[in-house]
Amino acid sequence: EVQLVESGGGLAQPGGSQRLSCAASGFTFSNYAMGWVRQAPGKGLEWVSALSGSGSNTYYADSVKGRFSISSDNSKNTLYLQMNSLRGEDTAVYYCARAPAWHTHYFDYWGQGTLVTVSS
Amino acid sequence: QSVLTQPPSVSAAPGQKVTISCSGGSSNIGNNLVSWYQHLPGTAPKLLIYDNNERPSGIPDRFSGSRSGTSATLGITGLQTGDEADYYCGTWDSSLSRVVFGGGTKLTVL
Repeated sequence: EVQLVESGGGLAQPGGSQRLSCAASGFTFSNYAMGWVRQAPGKGLEWVSALSGSGSNTYYADSVKGRFSISSDNSKNTLYLQMNSLRGEDTAVYYCARAPAWHTHYFDYWGQGTLVTVSS
Repeated sequence: QSVLTQPPSVSAAPGQKVTISCSGGSSNIGNNLVSWYQHLPGTAPKLLIYDNNERPSGIPDRFSGSRSGTSATLGITGLQTGDEADYYCGTWDSSLSRVVFGGGTKLTVL
């Protein structure tokens, strides 16, 4: 059974940093692209970032480019999102999601999300 | 403002059929494949449809998808109270070079 479990959310200061983790199980992690999608309070889904299955290609939404960094540790089957220079508009539930391949541009499994609140 | 436009809400009675529309443009729906997701607040979103009209294993055939021009439609037949959720369309936008989603449609089964 495919499982994606996010962690690392919580309260962060504006201008601060937070690192999210996503522990994957039930599939060969390195064979799939992975991504992060967020949902701000009362808003819809917003794609944030993605990592190709090989780990060699990264992709970012303009809203986070230069501030967020996606990476993975295949030995731990874990995806990360390093978030720096946080802003109030980054407040959201962050979902980890799996994509069959990045060029397919859809996500077939999602985690339950972790809430990041950016506030002083 | 979402790149893809969905109605904020739709409703229908149990057992009935409902359709949810998703409107875009040539840089997204018009030239890329569409997916649909079901999301109950507090839970993991679920993929319902990919590649415009394909259902993942385990998704009942009550759910269907179609695309015509720059619009896509999700159809749900035999509505059940358990279908009450938010539904999102998604696709790639070739001009923006990113995945885009609709604003979401809240389905109420009366």
